[in-house]
Amino acid sequence: KQEVTQIPAALSVPEGENLVLNCSFTDSAIYNLQWFRQDPGKGLTSLLLIQSSQREQTSGRLNASLDKSSGRSTLYIAASQPGDSATYLCAVKGGTGKLIFGQGTELSVKP
Amino acid sequence: GAGVSQSPSNKVTEKGKDVELRCDPISGHTALYWYRQSLGQGLEFLIYFQGNSAPDKSGLPSDRFSAERTGGSVSTLTIQRTQQEDSAVYLCASSFGTDNTGELFFGEGSRLTVL
Repeated sequence: KQEVTQIPAALSVPEGENLVLNCSFTDSAIYNLQWFRQDPGKGLTSLLLIQSSQREQTSGRLNASLDKSSGRSTLYIAASQPGDSATYLCAVKGGTGKLIFGQGTELSVKP
Repeated sequence: GAGVSQSPSNKVTEKGKDVELRCDPISGHTALYWYRQSLGQGLEFLIYFQGNSAPDKSGLPSDRFSAERTGGSVSTLTIQRTQQEDSAVYLCASSFGTDNTGELFFGEGSRLTVL
């Protein structure tokens, strides 16, 4: 059974810092991994999708990496801003086609 | 449509009543997913459709929960005889393609409160 773990559960940083969010998964037989952000009371916004054959994806200040063999992904946020404050979720898609989510990392960026 | 649309955005009901939640996926997306997010909890998978068929219903919590999809588009999640523990945000997502590589896009959710 696939399990997804995110560390840390919460993170508070001053504005301008570079930061790394971690995601690990137990079954390396995945189709892809997707990072989302969720603002309070809102749905999920897709940030980055990494297919199983890829090593990383970049979008603006965000960079996500994938190491399938070790069951790990990291989301790197450069030059953090208060508007980056949200909960960040990673999810992996396995053979059944459904996405399994981690519990999320709640990020707070202080001005 | 431009994005995944869900209705109602908020629903308050009394224990024992039936409720229907609707999801209108992005046009052309063949896969549709329902998830549940309870207060302070992670996302719990409920059911997944590919076209009108549901290859994976494993997440439906009980036989009070059912879902259907017609015309490969709109889906309805029905909860019969609602209980207080059904209170949660119900999220719908859709993705393009049948090869499991598609990116998921979520709606804003339907917040259900059972009194």
